[in-house]
Amino acid sequence: NAGVTQTPKFRVLKTGQSMTLLCAQDMNHEYMYWYRQDPGMGLRLIHYSVGEGTTAKGEVPDGYNVSRLKKQNFLLGLESAAPSQTSVYFCATAGLSLQETQYFGPGTRLLVL
Amino acid sequence: GQSLEQPSEVTAVEGAIVQINCTYQTSGFYGLSWYQQHDGGAPTFLSYNALDGLEETGRFSSFLSRSDSYGYLLLQELQMKDSASYFCAVRNFNKFYFGSGTKLNVKP
Repeated sequence: NAGVTQTPKFRVLKTGQSMTLLCAQDMNHEYMYWYRQDPGMGLRLIHYSVGEGTTAKGEVPDGYNVSRLKKQNFLLGLESAAPSQTSVYFCATAGLSLQETQYFGPGTRLLVL
Repeated sequence: GQSLEQPSEVTAVEGAIVQINCTYQTSGFYGLSWYQQHDGGAPTFLSYNALDGLEETGRFSSFLSRSDSYGYLLLQELQMKDSASYFCAVRNFNKFYFGSGTKLNVKP
């Protein structure tokens, strides 16, 4: 099992460009999350999904959009990248059981010039 | 709202024992998680406490007291490779809230 995978691993964008980050999971988890992590800081929730076809805003949703068309995939889009979106982006998944925690993908490093 | 407090940095010597505390305030609580993150890496799951008490996994143990809104991660027989950041996180139904992390420096 691959667990949680993210593509791409690294990307450089110019201000104003758009891109999509892909998260894929083979854990059959209902919940999926997108976080960003800035240097020396914790994880901040951007958007999340509680199931196929659903999405919801987290703490820092501005400038991002998401889609969950298939249960196993969660896409994060940047329509018009800004230097403030330079960060490391982590995807995570969690099961329905409240006795479980969440599991993270390897991350995507994004640099916006 | 939700808030988690943990020390920003801890230093210990190789072979020693270190405890990283986490206190939390949350409107709903389903469990406390601990993650390890090396520089440039992804958070790696260490332990999860849904009920009060101590959970042990090898050199790592985690404790939870729901009545005190408090938990800790205990690392024994410290090794140089344990130098990393450690995050506590609270599960509130389908969302998770993270502390700012504790940077552990292990010295020879």
